[in-house]
Amino acid sequence: NAGVMQNPRHLVRRRGQEARLRCSPMKGHSHVYWYRQLPEEGLKFMVYLQKENIIDESGMPKERFSAEFPKEGPSILRIQQVVRGDSAAYFCASSPSRGRGGYEQYFGPGTRLTVT
Amino acid sequence: TQLLEQSPQFLSIQEGENLTVYCNSSSVFSSLQWYRQEPGEGPVLLVTVVTGGEVKKLKRLTFQFGDARKDSSLHITAAQPGDTGLYLCAGGSTFGDGTTLTVKP
Repeated sequence: NAGVMQNPRHLVRRRGQEARLRCSPMKGHSHVYWYRQLPEEGLKFMVYLQKENIIDESGMPKERFSAEFPKEGPSILRIQQVVRGDSAAYFCASSPSRGRGGYEQYFGPGTRLTVT
Repeated sequence: TQLLEQSPQFLSIQEGENLTVYCNSSSVFSSLQWYRQEPGEGPVLLVTVVTGGEVKKLKRLTFQFGDARKDSSLHITAAQPGDTGLYLCAGGSTFGDGTTLTVKP
């Protein structure tokens, strides 16, 4: 029973390049969340998606960041024209539902993005 | 905007001691989750509390949800070095900044 998978685990990009982070949710989960974490800080919500729909993107920066969760394939978090301030760990989580008590999320191992 | 405040931010104790960490908010949550995160890894779900006043036990860990569903606590009895990590409380997608616990042998 595979857990949430993220790749790559580590990604190095030069300023101005694009970063693509991938997330495959747990089998049977249709809800995906993306978070950003800086060292010794908690997780900051970025976006919540269901298949083919963005449900809540209130935590996404207005520019350069986008996310998708297509009908087939993994969810993608895309960062265009990266800057040094984008360096962080990006975590994906999935859940089967959002009913009462159903906010439990299962996290992947994260992608550590370093912008040089 | 719902916020969760965790305290203390850092806690360093000796093996065998007891400790409590807190998660507080001015908002009501339908449920709260507790996660533990180790360096270089993603958070791992420990427990969900749903009912006001609820107490859940997980071996040496005791979780309590406040009567008004605005706060929660995590108590660890006889802490061990393996308990070292970042403890995060969450209400859905809203996370606190965590308590970094270090248990020294």
